[in-house]
Amino acid sequence: ELKVEQNPLFLSMQEGKNYTIYCNYSTTSDRLYWYRQDPGKSLESLFVLLSNGAVKQEGRLMASLDTKARLSTLHITAAVHDLSATYFCAVEGFGNEKLTFGTGTRLTIIP
Amino acid sequence: AAGVIQSPRHLIKEKRETATLKCYPIPRHDTVYWYQQGPGQDPQFLISFYEKMQSDKGSIPDRFSAQQFSDYHSELNMSSLELGDSALYFCASESGDTEAFFGQGTRLTVV
Repeated sequence: ELKVEQNPLFLSMQEGKNYTIYCNYSTTSDRLYWYRQDPGKSLESLFVLLSNGAVKQEGRLMASLDTKARLSTLHITAAVHDLSATYFCAVEGFGNEKLTFGTGTRLTIIP
Repeated sequence: AAGVIQSPRHLIKEKRETATLKCYPIPRHDTVYWYQQGPGQDPQFLISFYEKMQSDKGSIPDRFSAQQFSDYHSELNMSSLELGDSALYFCASESGDTEAFFGQGTRLTVV
């Protein structure tokens, strides 16, 4: 059974700082997703990572994937208040297309 | 571009009542997934359909049933509602090797 671990669960950081959220998963994966969710809202797709060594960047967010280590990271650069949200990684198991989500990281950016 | 449409967006039901949630996938998407997200939780996979047949089943209570119709829309039927069924219910669709796209969700409140 595919397990996805995400850490930290809570992250409070000051504006302008950098930080990284980690996502580990237990079995071979076809795809890895990063989502943003504001309170009570839907899941906003940020990145889809398909292959080992994949790196994608959008604004202050950068995601990477190491399939050998079964690890993905979401790096936040020079955080701004607008990035405050909950971030989920989700893994599509190999040959099994449903998504298994990490526990989420609730990110709070302090001015 | 057309997105995944879910209806209703909000639903309030009393205990022991029945609810029906609807999902209209992106045109030409043949696979639909249902997820349940409780307060402060990560989304949990419920059930999926491919070409109108159930393709996978997760932690879906026996009180819930779902199906995918000939036009590929899907309905999640929930009976004998309990307070613990209060959650956000998401539908996602995909086709072949495309990524999964999520709808806006239905917020179900059981009182």
